[in-house]
Amino acid sequence: DVKVTQSSRYLVKRTGEKVFLECVQDMDHENMFWYRQDPGLGLRLIYFSYDVKMKEKGDIPEGYSVSREKKERFSLILESASTNQTSMYLCASSLSSASSGNTIYFGEGSWLTVV
Amino acid sequence: AQSVSQHNHHVILSEAASLELGCNYSYGGTVNLFWYVQYPGQHLQLLLKYFSGDPLVKGIKGFEAEFIKSKFSFNLRKPSVQWSDTAEYFCAVNARNAGNMLTFGGGTRLMVKP
Repeated sequence: DVKVTQSSRYLVKRTGEKVFLECVQDMDHENMFWYRQDPGLGLRLIYFSYDVKMKEKGDIPEGYSVSREKKERFSLILESASTNQTSMYLCASSLSSASSGNTIYFGEGSWLTVV
Repeated sequence: AQSVSQHNHHVILSEAASLELGCNYSYGGTVNLFWYVQYPGQHLQLLLKYFSGDPLVKGIKGFEAEFIKSKFSFNLRKPSVQWSDTAEYFCAVNARNAGNMLTFGGGTRLMVKP
């Protein structure tokens, strides 16, 4: 079974703090994704990466950055957390493009509250 | 750019009732379509997907979805729901020329009363 592990399930951070959300997958997937999930808005793509050191902006990249130094690890960084970044963050991975038939697998999510 | 609309944000049904969740997308080209489910406290799981061929797709747990190209729709159905189907359901679209990017609808929370 594919396993996508997000290191922190629940975090509370102060406004202005730097926040790291870590994600690791164990199936040698090329693609990794960071989404945020908000009520009524579904999942919105923040960034994705299709290879080590490669990254692409998603729909809502503002206020975020990412790092992919190793194939299995994809980190989401909030340089200066703000209250409107309070959300559930979901990491996902896939073997290759969804358009070629490969499923995207999700982690359990990280609940971030910024106070 | 593609977008996805799920018309019902909350649905409450009794056990054994029939279910249909609407999903419409806006994109004129060829698409791949997905339904994901998120049970309380669990991660998102793929319920079913459509890539090509028969527009009526069967998924896990008795769910099915029908792709109607002329209506840009991919509605999810189940003839008889169970209490264990209580979850949030997300429709998602991948345009064939959009590479890896999935666009999700806003989700539908389903509550099944025992």
